[in-house]
Order: sequence, then structure tokens, then C-alpha cells
Amino acid sequence: KNQVEQSPQSLIILEGKNCTLQCNYTVSPFSNLRWYKQDTGRGPVSLTIMTFSENTKSNGRYTATLDADTKQSSLHITASQLSDSASYICVVGSGGSYIPTFGRGTSLIVHP
Amino acid sequence: KAGVTQTPRYLIKTRGQQVTLSCSPISGHRSVSWYQQTPGQGLQFLFEYFSETQRNKGNFPGRFSGRQFSNSRSEMNVSTLELGDSALYLCASSSLNTEAFFGQGTRLTVV
Repeated sequence: KNQVEQSPQSLIILEGKNCTLQCNYTVSPFSNLRWYKQDTGRGPVSLTIMTFSENTKSNGRYTATLDADTKQSSLHITASQLSDSASYICVVGSGGSYIPTFGRGTSLIVHP
Repeated sequence: KAGVTQTPRYLIKTRGQQVTLSCSPISGHRSVSWYQQTPGQGLQFLFEYFSETQRNKGNFPGRFSGRQFSNSRSEMNVSTLELGDSALYLCASSSLNTEAFFGQGTRLTVV
């Protein structure tokens, strides 16, 4: 069964600090991995997408990494801002099916 | 360029009723997908429509159905509502070479 596990479930950090969110998956065959940011009451917004051959992708202060061998991805946020407070969702696409597999997300709170 | 528009934003229904939610995709996008989001289960894929045809379907009961019109606008319908259907329903639109863009969602509460 395809699964995506994210950790930690929630995280509280101080403004200006860095943090790393983890995503482990057991989706086969693997097609792509996306990280989304979802603000409270809004729809998810795509941050990065990576395919099998990519191991790093950056979008401003967000950097995603992918290790296809260990089936792990991380999202690193640099110099956090209050506006980074949101839920971060890891989504893995399967080459065998259009249906994506979602992680349950990491809730990040950035305090001043 | 207008984003994905979902209506209504909030809805309260009684158990046993049915409900129809609407999604207007970004102009030019022909694919529309629907998702259910709950605190317990997270985001779950419902179905995807392309050119008025359902291309993919998630693991939801037949009470959940949808359709897509010739202008790519899509509706989803839930019949015989249950308390467990209370959720945020999200739709996303995409074209061949773009990522999926999500709407703000419809918050459905079943009482």
C-alpha cells in the first residue's frame, strides 16, 4: 500500500531560525514528489516538485531534497518568518496511477 | 488571471440531505481534481475529470459523484450526507504542462 509519512507532526520555532521537515514514502513506482504549503483556511500552494533524477530544488528560502534510494525527502526553511506559519504537506505521485498519495502534513508555528 | 474559484465557501447541511459543490478552473485548464481534507485523514483524492470525462477515481463510496461541463467547470455531489462527510472539499485545476492550482475550498458541515 502506498504511504507517505511526515514528521514531526507539529513544530514551533522562533522567527529567524531554520527548520527541517521530513517526508518518508513507500510509493511505487515513484513519479514525482511535491511539497505544498497550506495556510489556515486556504488551499495548498505548491512550493517544489522533484522527479526521480533531481535531488535538490529551491524556491526562495525553501529547499527540498530527495533521496530516491532511501525514499526520503526533506524541506528546509531558512531564516523563518511569521508568514511561514502553515501546514506543509508532502505529496508523492505514482508512475502507475494518477492518484497521488498525501502525507498528513507538518504544522509549523513561527513565534516572534 | 483569475485563480480557481469554489462556491460556496461554507455550507451547513443536515444528515440525509444531498449537496452540490462547484469549481471553476483557471481559464485554459482542462483537468479538474477534487479532494477531501479532514483533520483525521488529511487530504484524500476523490476524482479527476478531463474534457468532461472522469479519468481517475479515488476510494470513496458511490455517494460521491462529479461531472465536468464543456467549459471545464466541475461540480461534485454528495448524496445521503453523513456526519463523517464534514470536511474541507478542495478542487484543483491544471493543464498539460502546469502544476495543479488549488481553490480555497468549500467547508461542509453536516449536522
